[in-house]
Amino acid sequence: DAKTTQPPSMDCAEGRAANLPCNHSTISGNEYVYWYRQIHSQGPQYIIHGLKNNETNEMASLIITEDRKSSTLILPHATLRDTAVYYCIARGTPDMRFGAGTRLTVKP
Amino acid sequence: DTGVSQDPRHKITKRGQNVTFRCDPISEHNRLYWYRQTLGQGPEFLTYFQNEAQLEKSRLLSDRFSAERPKGSFSTLEIQRTEQGDSAMYLCASSHRDRGQGEQFFGPGTRLTVL
Repeated sequence: DAKTTQPPSMDCAEGRAANLPCNHSTISGNEYVYWYRQIHSQGPQYIIHGLKNNETNEMASLIITEDRKSSTLILPHATLRDTAVYYCIARGTPDMRFGAGTRLTVKP
Repeated sequence: DTGVSQDPRHKITKRGQNVTFRCDPISEHNRLYWYRQTLGQGPEFLTYFQNEAQLEKSRLLSDRFSAERPKGSFSTLEIQRTEQGDSAMYLCASSHRDRGQGEQFFGPGTRLTVL
């Protein structure tokens, strides 16, 4: 699995969009980009994943650059309940290799 | 679909004791994974099963750790002769090999404290 780099922490105002970046410059062609989040003391929660195209679901949007070396997770209208650690994973093997993630704090 | 469940949620034990954790995956999920998470770190992969076969083990899985999935449904993770360094959250996840791209769904974890 390719190494990913994320900022250690970010803040976002409630109701605004949260844009979480991830760098995966060594990603290979068959590796998907996955995003998970973990709210304090809970198990990680799947958010979204993609290969090349931008993806959207009820939780978030995933924007992957054309060269696939980076991606951005967008939470369109952040709420206080979105405060969590967000993990970006570039995955080519069955298991998930988590880094330290980005701690997103949504502030009122 | 009730999600992945883990039992117990919390376990406190004394150093040197054996402990066993159970994971029940989402029904029909044929892959099951174990992870360990220490404070301030992301989850670290330990091992995974496809049906009853254990296909991969991390070097983190020392000889004191053993995992089983005897009938391809629930799984157990046993730690023998526990050490204080084993204190962590043990997470289980499951996925279906042939659906989607194998998104993993995690349970709530078992928090182990070794005194």
